[in-house]
Amino acid sequence: GAGVSQTPSNKVTEKGKYVELRCDPISGHTALYWYRQSLGQGPEFLIYFQGTGAADDSGLPNDRFFAVRPEGSVSTLKIQRTERGDSAVYLCASSLQGAEQFFGPGTRLTVL
Amino acid sequence: GQQLNQSPQSMFIQEGEDVSMNCTSSSIFNTWLWYKQDPGEGPVLLIALYKAGELTSNGRLTAQFGITRKDSFLNISASIPSDVGIYFCAGHGSSNTGKLIFGQGTTLQVKP
Repeated sequence: GAGVSQTPSNKVTEKGKYVELRCDPISGHTALYWYRQSLGQGPEFLIYFQGTGAADDSGLPNDRFFAVRPEGSVSTLKIQRTERGDSAVYLCASSLQGAEQFFGPGTRLTVL
Repeated sequence: GQQLNQSPQSMFIQEGEDVSMNCTSSSIFNTWLWYKQDPGEGPVLLIALYKAGELTSNGRLTAQFGITRKDSFLNISASIPSDVGIYFCAGHGSSNTGKLIFGQGTTLQVKP
């Protein structure tokens, strides 16, 4: 079956702009996660959805970052007033139960 | 953010050799997972471990969940060129948080 998909695969923007990153989880997976991966590092947790609600958003770095999952399937990560330090690969993962999370290919965000 | 201590940082081996890498934490985890990441792709789940002391195999891969619940190792036997990539360990604390805590990764290069 289809895995987790993310769009766009690459996004280049200018400092101060607003961006939206989209994640389509594996069909039927109720849990959805966003992570951020900087070069040479492991993924770092941002936010976790169980259904439509954010069950844990403790990893969001500041209030410029926001994520939604209005219908319990597709999720959008929104970043306002982007900064050069936001440049990273943003990974989305989904799971049915337990700890086994399945990742998408990621969106590479570059802020100029 | 919090990360696991993964070692070695990189390995360069001859095809056919066995490989061992490990991961330690100051915190206890309920689940340990091992992922492999190729360039430009998201992490792919290799093995999940749910019980302290558990030893699990997946083909040429073998992983163990440490008795103290603070460590795990991954072995790859008879390495082949397609084993090249970055291997990440990840710990999962509880179903309430959902988040995985990742190590910094072990980069494996295999010389044919």
